[in-house]
Amino acid sequence: AQKITQTQPGMFVQEKEAVTLDCTYDTSDQSYGLFWYKQPSSGEMIFLIYQGSYDEQNATEGRYSLNFQKARKSANLVISASQLGDSAMYFCAMREAPPGGTSYGKLTFGQGTILTVHP
Amino acid sequence: DAGVTQSPTHLIKTRGQQVTLRCSPKSGHDTVSWYQQALGQGPQFIFQYYEEEERQRGNFPDRFSGHQFPNYSSELNVNALLLGDSALYLCASSLDRTGFLETQYFGPGTRLLVL
Repeated sequence: AQKITQTQPGMFVQEKEAVTLDCTYDTSDQSYGLFWYKQPSSGEMIFLIYQGSYDEQNATEGRYSLNFQKARKSANLVISASQLGDSAMYFCAMREAPPGGTSYGKLTFGQGTILTVHP
Repeated sequence: DAGVTQSPTHLIKTRGQQVTLRCSPKSGHDTVSWYQQALGQGPQFIFQYYEEEERQRGNFPDRFSGHQFPNYSSELNVNALLLGDSALYLCASSLDRTGFLETQYFGPGTRLLVL
């Protein structure tokens, strides 16, 4: 079963408008982290935002915010005031914590969503 | 503050050959993870190194091996290359702190093409 599902292969948005990229996840762990990364055509994976499973407030980082709905197991990324430079592939990823709460753990990625920002 | 660096940026090999990819972690980080990203897919976890030992491994054959040096830099080795090994190989570094789900920061990747 897919642990991270991104149902939108591609999204289009007009410059200066807001856009929401969807992400749902599946885990039985109580402690986990959700991450969003941006990957431009150059290939580098750029960290955008993080949400811990115990965080009660939705994470925000500048124009990025994470709409975390734990009961629905969703962690959607909201980009406000889109810019042309936001055009890229966006990946949602999850890191599960092994029992004992140690910090190591692999990232499991979704298939990604290609965002295109139109002028 | 230097970020994660990887070398080489691009590589072309033929089937059956062996390849070594290198990664230097972000300053202050002690943990290195390697991922393989096939075209149009999300990255897949290969393995993670901490204190010079492999401590977690994904579903990759033994042809994929690695090493971590005392300065925390790391190498990924792939033997007996197959056409299907053509991919972007990403290195990510993080700081190991018990009780925290640390963010992994990625390098620019190495694009490997196997002919």
